[in-house]
Amino acid sequence: NAGVTQTPKFRVLKTGQSMTLLCAQDMNHEYMYWYRQDPGMGLRLIHYSVGEGTTAKGEVPDGYNVSRLKKQNFLLGLESAAPSQTSVYFCASRRTGRDDTEAFFGQGTRLTVV
Amino acid sequence: DAKTTQPNSMESNEEEPVHLPCNHSTISGTDYIHWYRQLPSQGPEYVIHGLTSNVNNRMASLAIAEDRKSSTLILHRATLRDAAVYYCILRRNNAGNMLTFGGGTRLMVKP
Repeated sequence: NAGVTQTPKFRVLKTGQSMTLLCAQDMNHEYMYWYRQDPGMGLRLIHYSVGEGTTAKGEVPDGYNVSRLKKQNFLLGLESAAPSQTSVYFCASRRTGRDDTEAFFGQGTRLTVV
Repeated sequence: DAKTTQPNSMESNEEEPVHLPCNHSTISGTDYIHWYRQLPSQGPEYVIHGLTSNVNNRMASLAIAEDRKSSTLILHRATLRDAAVYYCILRRNNAGNMLTFGGGTRLMVKP
């Protein structure tokens, strides 16, 4: 019962490098989200998707791109990493429903940009 | 989005009940009240949610004020494993249905 899996768990990047974070869920959820969490802060929404092939901007989208080519996967890309993007990144998913539903979170990816 | 106000931190003794308050005076009629918690070095974990009526599950109880402007998360018997940051979140039932996190309450449990 994997739930939400994030890859990789840790990464160190040099300024200007690019990388892609992968989020995979096996619960057939329609909605998926990418958040970032800076030290001592709550989570902030970067981008989200309400279904395969659709994405939308969240609260802090600058410097990031996303894609949802398959329903189970949500990719977060950093084209040119900056030290300000040092953070812990969390992916989440939830199903749609007439009543409200809970979100399931991954364990996070700790990214350091030097 | 409507905001929530929570104390920065609270302390509790092990095996005693804990009442975590949340104020949300600008809540709208369609906002659900969600509680999540985040244990150290982990992703957030769902605890409970409700709309108007009090709710109980295996983890906790949620007491919602009659005017819905405040709510209280109740942990019936705190354990050391309950030490975490607890987030009270209002979620509007619209496209995306995202959760907007605030600062949360850091719960410390003393043995």
